[in-house]
Amino acid sequence: ETVMTQSPATLSVSPGERVSLSCRASHSISRNVAWYQQKLGQAPRLLISLASTRATGIPARFSGTVSGAETEFTLTISSLQSEDFAVYFCQQFHDWPYTFGQGTKLEF
Amino acid sequence: QVQLQESGPGLVKPSETLSLTCSVSGGPIAFYYWSWIRQSPGKGLEWIGYVFSSGSTNYNPSVKSRLIISVDTSKNQFSLRLSSVSAADTAVYYCARANAVGDAFDIWGQGTAITVSS
Repeated sequence: ETVMTQSPATLSVSPGERVSLSCRASHSISRNVAWYQQKLGQAPRLLISLASTRATGIPARFSGTVSGAETEFTLTISSLQSEDFAVYFCQQFHDWPYTFGQGTKLEF
Repeated sequence: QVQLQESGPGLVKPSETLSLTCSVSGGPIAFYYWSWIRQSPGKGLEWIGYVFSSGSTNYNPSVKSRLIISVDTSKNQFSLRLSSVSAADTAVYYCARANAVGDAFDIWGQGTAITVSS
């Protein structure tokens, strides 16, 4: 199965900062990656699909990019807002079974 | 808008069968792919399997021998049955929707916590 590795596990940040979260796939998965945001006690919420397409209603400060022979994926939050403190997961939907990264937690 | 709501027993004894239902409201169950995903502190998020509205399925090999996912279009519901559960199946179980094979999960239920314990 495809292993998705996220780094770092925790990131200490401040409101207003530009933040980049990394996700690496164990092999090329084209652009078949999604990013989700999860707040405590809530279900994950889709932010980005197909590596760079924002889901409906997602603010423009969230963006996704792909590089490195389609194994390296980045979620960038251009100016962190207080409501963005959460855990972020990447997920691949290129191969079965679909797999998720372990998450990156943004903390103040 | 489309909403998903899981329902389940909360507590299941080891070796028994876990049954969960996901009710879909605000939209059709037809022509979408409906998945079960679970989350535990030890294993993180794990996709378990999906059912298409036609009834075709695809399961994660990690649970395939114990799993049945079915759909009832007349009730706008789909269900999970996981047999021979153990403590390793303790998790929050989510139902989720995808528009197609090879697509992200755009709508999730709120999740239901399942504990396997005697």
